[in-house]
Amino acid sequence: GAVVSQHPSWVICKSGTSVKIECRSLDFQATTMFWYRQFPKQSLMLMATSNEGSKATYEQGVEKDKFLINHASLTLSTLTVTSAHPEDSSFYICSGLGQGKETQYFGPGTRLLVL
Amino acid sequence: GQQLNQSPQSMFIQEGEDVSMNCTSSSIFNTWLWYKQDPGEGPVLLIALYKAGELTSNGRLTAQFGITRKDSFLNISASIPSDVGIYFCAGRVNVNRDDKIIFGKGTRLHILP
Repeated sequence: GAVVSQHPSWVICKSGTSVKIECRSLDFQATTMFWYRQFPKQSLMLMATSNEGSKATYEQGVEKDKFLINHASLTLSTLTVTSAHPEDSSFYICSGLGQGKETQYFGPGTRLLVL
Repeated sequence: GQQLNQSPQSMFIQEGEDVSMNCTSSSIFNTWLWYKQDPGEGPVLLIALYKAGELTSNGRLTAQFGITRKDSFLNISASIPSDVGIYFCAGRVNVNRDDKIIFGKGTRLHILP
């Protein structure tokens, strides 16, 4: 299957700092990438959908100025959590839509802890 | 909007037992996907179903795409400890000319010692 990587795997930061998470599709081109957030023992919550070269589409309730998404190439999307606060602590997972657009392939996730 | 109802929410079984979980919807989907998420990891695709009525196996896993295209089930035979995790169903649907994949809320599988 297609491989998606995320970097970093873990990040601990102080409140008020910004954190950038990278998502790469390693062996396929993902014109569409998705960013999810998952709180402990809960399901995946879609935050935004990003298409290469265009602005991301955010789900209702997700602040676009706080969660900046850039999808500058077919293999890389980044999520920047600006001025992170403890309530932003979560597991962030990206996924890329396969070239046939029929399946999504997920990254391993990035765990963010804001102190 | 489109919603997937996944059940059960949680399952507690003995090792060696078979497991069955399903997803239903009032909407028609073009593709059904089943994922498994281990603790602290991203979901991994288990089985993808593309045609109504399709029955596909992957080792001890079997999944079927319902004839009406509104439901799917996943069976796991002879469960083992490493089957523990959260299983998500997902369906692909075309909304306003955009393909969208919608996820169920997951079935959490626990295996009792």
